[in-house]
Amino acid sequence: GENVEQHPSTLSVQEGDSAVIKCTYSDSASNYFPWYKQELGKGPQLIIDIRSNVGEKKDQRIAVTLNKTAKHFSLHITETQPEDSAVYFCAASRSFQKLVFGTGTRLLVSP
Amino acid sequence: DTAVSQTPKYLVTQMGNDKSIKCEQNLGHDTMYWYKQDSKKFLKIMFSYNNKELIINETVPNRFSPKSPDKAHLNLHINSLELGDSAVYFCASSQDLGLVQTQYFGPGTRLLVL
Repeated sequence: GENVEQHPSTLSVQEGDSAVIKCTYSDSASNYFPWYKQELGKGPQLIIDIRSNVGEKKDQRIAVTLNKTAKHFSLHITETQPEDSAVYFCAASRSFQKLVFGTGTRLLVSP
Repeated sequence: DTAVSQTPKYLVTQMGNDKSIKCEQNLGHDTMYWYKQDSKKFLKIMFSYNNKELIINETVPNRFSPKSPDKAHLNLHINSLELGDSAVYFCASSQDLGLVQTQYFGPGTRLLVL
């Protein structure tokens, strides 16, 4: 089955810096790659997603890139703000909505 | 209006007890899920229902029994609770199974088994 690895497990940046979180997946048939943000005490919330027919997608300060050949995808957050501090999860899916999540990255943005 | 709601938010109980967690979504979605998040924050799917029909059933002990009375509700009943069941349980929903769809998560139920 699908296996998703995520790095780093923790990431500390200064406000205004960029943050990059990387994930690799094992199932070459996976075709949907969402990123979720989980704030303390809350459920995960989708922030951006990408499908296998697209190499890059951007939404304001957030972008995701996908390299199907290498089977990895990354989340890029520019101009980080303290409110970006949270746990971020990548996930991969090939069919029937079964999302397989990465192990999470705890992002801390210091003012 | 809360899109996906769960009750209770916190659940503290003794080993061996039976408990239920309820989930409701008002998004008009056809598919609902239960996830378990352990103490290391690892999120893993447990069950998925589409139009009240069980679609995904991961290797979950049969002490866990989901029930979907209608499309908008998916409840989780746990028998003979064990210490290892302590976790946060999230309900989620998505439009349907046709295309891979965004999943919307509830706020979670924090279960502590003593």
